[in-house]
Amino acid sequence: EDKVVQSPLSLVVHEGDTVTLNCSYEVTNFRSLLWYKQEKKAPTFLFMLTSSGIEKKSGRLSSILDKKELFSILNITATQTGDSAIYLCAVVVASGGSYIPTFGRGTSLIVHP
Amino acid sequence: DTGVSQDPRHKITKRGQNVTFRCDPISEHNRLYWYRQTLGQGPEFLTYFQNEAQLEKSRLLSDRFSAERPKGSFSTLEIQRTEQGDSAMYLCASSSPPWTSGGPSRELFFGEGSRLTVL
Repeated sequence: EDKVVQSPLSLVVHEGDTVTLNCSYEVTNFRSLLWYKQEKKAPTFLFMLTSSGIEKKSGRLSSILDKKELFSILNITATQTGDSAIYLCAVVVASGGSYIPTFGRGTSLIVHP
Repeated sequence: DTGVSQDPRHKITKRGQNVTFRCDPISEHNRLYWYRQTLGQGPEFLTYFQNEAQLEKSRLLSDRFSAERPKGSFSTLEIQRTEQGDSAMYLCASSSPPWTSGGPSRELFFGEGSRLTVL
């Protein structure tokens, strides 16, 4: 059975801190890894990672994938209160002609002013 | 707005009643997914459509659940004889096919979800 494990499950920091969120996986037929941010509504897309060692960056957020060790990290530098959200990791596996994302439980990040 | 839309946004029903949710994906997306999310959990996969064909169903999808996507456009998810354990947020997402055959998948775009409360 495909497994996606995120850690920590929750994190409380102060504005300006840097945080690292982890996502490890055990799946067959890996295709890609996705990161999403979920506030009190639908998840919104952050990054898609398909190759090891290539960092994706968007402002203060960055992410990298290690396909040998089967994990990804999401870094947020100089956190702001608006970064408070649940961060979801999903691994897309191929099943026949289908691509099915399997999500982890998410990491709940709270940023205090 | 050309995003994924879901209806209704909230539904409160009594145990034993049937409910139906509708999802309108982004128009050029041929792939459509249904997920269920409960508090403190990530989205759990329910079912997947490619065009009008239902290609994957999770073991979570009991025989009380049925999903359709006639004509490969909007989709409906029906839950018959609802139980209190069905209370959850039901999320719909859509995506385009990969850039190349066999290539990496494209990202999913989610709707706002339909929150179901079964009393």
